[in-house]
Amino acid sequence: DTGVSQDPRHKITKRGQNVTFRCDPISEHNRLYWYRQTLGQGPEFLTYFQNEAQLEKSRLLSDRFSAERPKGSFSTLEIQRTEQGDSAMYLCASSAEGGYQETQYFGPGTRLLVL
Amino acid sequence: DQQVKQNSPSLSVQEGRISILNCDYTNSMFDYFLWYKKYPAEGPTFLISISSIKDKNEDGRFTVFLNKSAKHLSLHIVPSQPGDSAVYFCAASAGTDKLIFGTGTRLQVFP
Repeated sequence: DTGVSQDPRHKITKRGQNVTFRCDPISEHNRLYWYRQTLGQGPEFLTYFQNEAQLEKSRLLSDRFSAERPKGSFSTLEIQRTEQGDSAMYLCASSAEGGYQETQYFGPGTRLLVL
Repeated sequence: DQQVKQNSPSLSVQEGRISILNCDYTNSMFDYFLWYKKYPAEGPTFLISISSIKDKNEDGRFTVFLNKSAKHLSLHIVPSQPGDSAVYFCAASAGTDKLIFGTGTRLQVFP
């Protein structure tokens, strides 16, 4: 069990550029989650997948954000036309199927800085 | 509107003593609660959870207490160790996979 991995760990970009992050969940987990954490706050839910189906999206996920999990394995989170307010830590988590009380295991996160 | 609140941003405890971290919530639909620990530059690590049908859950040095009438839960760490120094997040869910987190409490355990 290698845990949840995320790539890149850090990303610096200029305002207006597009960025894409990748998350690889724990291999046998079919649920995958994206959260965002800003300074001084706890993680905030963005969206989650069961296999390849995106089941819930937060209103925080504006039209500039899109998440995919095409084959039910890894997932990508793309932010188009980045803004300075997008600067945050983007966290991915995964859990096994078994209901909402299955533990969510988090990856190390991708820290995004928009200049 | 902050549905999960951790009103103490920081806590300092001597090694060997008890650490008590508190969390309040406002949504009566929450039925599952968790504590995560986070070190700098790492993702949150799951510590312990409790279902609303229980009022206590223990795992080694960690015990979580739930008081539904007060909408309050607490995490007790006994005995506290320097390696416990981290930010602790309380989280809750209301029958879905969406976790609502508090703002965290930074625990420092000193020798």
